[in-house]
Amino acid sequence: AQSVTQPDIHITVSEGASLELRCNYSYGATPYLFWYVQSPGQGLQLLLKYFSGDTLVQGIKGFEAEFKRSQSSFNLRKPSVHWSDAAEYFCAVVPSAEGAGSYQLTFGKGTKLSVIP
Amino acid sequence: EAGVTQFPSHSVIEKGQTVTLRCDPISGHDNLYWYRRVMGKEIKFLLHFVKESKQDESGMPNNRFLAERTGGTYSTLKVQPAELEDSGVYFCASSQGFIRNTEAFFGQGTRLTVV
Repeated sequence: AQSVTQPDIHITVSEGASLELRCNYSYGATPYLFWYVQSPGQGLQLLLKYFSGDTLVQGIKGFEAEFKRSQSSFNLRKPSVHWSDAAEYFCAVVPSAEGAGSYQLTFGKGTKLSVIP
Repeated sequence: EAGVTQFPSHSVIEKGQTVTLRCDPISGHDNLYWYRRVMGKEIKFLLHFVKESKQDESGMPNNRFLAERTGGTYSTLKVQPAELEDSGVYFCASSQGFIRNTEAFFGQGTRLTVV
């Protein structure tokens, strides 16, 4: 079955430390890949997306993600975390081939990030 | 430009009652989606409108859920009668094109609690 796995439910980092949030997917073919963030009281906001091409993708708020086909992974990184980055982060996919389910996002369970001042 | 607006932001109802959630998409966005997150679980797709037509309603849990998008503008999601397992956060999103081609913008969600 197609699935998205975010193995870390909750991560705590100190402000200024680096961050890596993990995401693995299980699909027949490489899907389109997304990272969303939900800050407290806010809706989900798109951080970045990967469709094809350069496997290192730059997003908003200083985030980047690297697609690794061999590992079926799309991990999100930030070199220096700010207190305002405390939020919940969701990895999501859409099938790259048109067909059933190709117009809907499939999400992971999310990773909640806490930042220690 | 206004974003996707959902209301109410919170709703607490008793089992067996009816609740209607509303979503106002970004103006001009033909595509409107409903998603739901049950506590501790993934955000799951419910259905997708293109203008006023249901493109995909494969995620609707059962016939107690009814979604409408009259005139292709705002959408409502009615739960009748509500059950305890319907509790969760209901998200609405809209996009100009299909979600695989263009960015989808999400509302803040409606937190539904059925007691």
